[in-house]
Amino acid sequence: QKEVEQNSGPLSVPEGAIASLNCTYSDRGSQSFFWYRQYSGKSPELIMSIYSNGDKEDGRFTAQLNKASQYVSLLIRDSQPSDSATYLCAVNRLRAQGGKLIFGQGTELSVKP
Amino acid sequence: DTEVTQTPKHLVMGMTNKKSLKCEQHMGHRAMYWYKQKAKKPPELMFVYSYEKLSINESVPSRFSPECPNSSLLNLHLHALQPEDSALYLCASSLSGQDLRQYFGPGTRLTVT
Repeated sequence: QKEVEQNSGPLSVPEGAIASLNCTYSDRGSQSFFWYRQYSGKSPELIMSIYSNGDKEDGRFTAQLNKASQYVSLLIRDSQPSDSATYLCAVNRLRAQGGKLIFGQGTELSVKP
Repeated sequence: DTEVTQTPKHLVMGMTNKKSLKCEQHMGHRAMYWYKQKAKKPPELMFVYSYEKLSINESVPSRFSPECPNSSLLNLHLHALQPEDSALYLCASSLSGQDLRQYFGPGTRLTVT
């Protein structure tokens, strides 16, 4: 079992729809959860962080966390073609030397005009 | 300002060359990271510096040698690389080793011939 799992996609949604991206993780001790957006040929960009159960909203983005189910998701409302990118879920793994992020394989999102 | 800069943007080197990658941030972050990313894969952690000390080395081959001259600068010295080391090398920083909101630089695209 991978530590962080995402559907690789591609996930295709029409413009204006809600895109739903999902991620599961295996380490119950994880405490910090992040979503990064990566455009083709560019570096990852942090778009959301979430630390406690429930929803966190930022503009068109909503992150949802359910620690009991070990599940984190990202909703993108009113999807735009400019949202087409790969979305990486990242989960912390704490170590004595300091934390590190474990990334999922990423979900490719395509928003069609 | 969440800017991390990296130079050079592109680098082509032979297997016998020695070169260095440079990363700089002026956000007062005390943790800095080197990642390697291959096409269609997530970033793969190489090294973590926390308060200018190497805290995590993910069993990276010795042909990669990191250096943190001060809290704003991070270098990656390259020597005797192999063609399979061709990848996007990403630098990231975070406020501390415990705060894993990492901000990535644009990366250096390395090609080893």
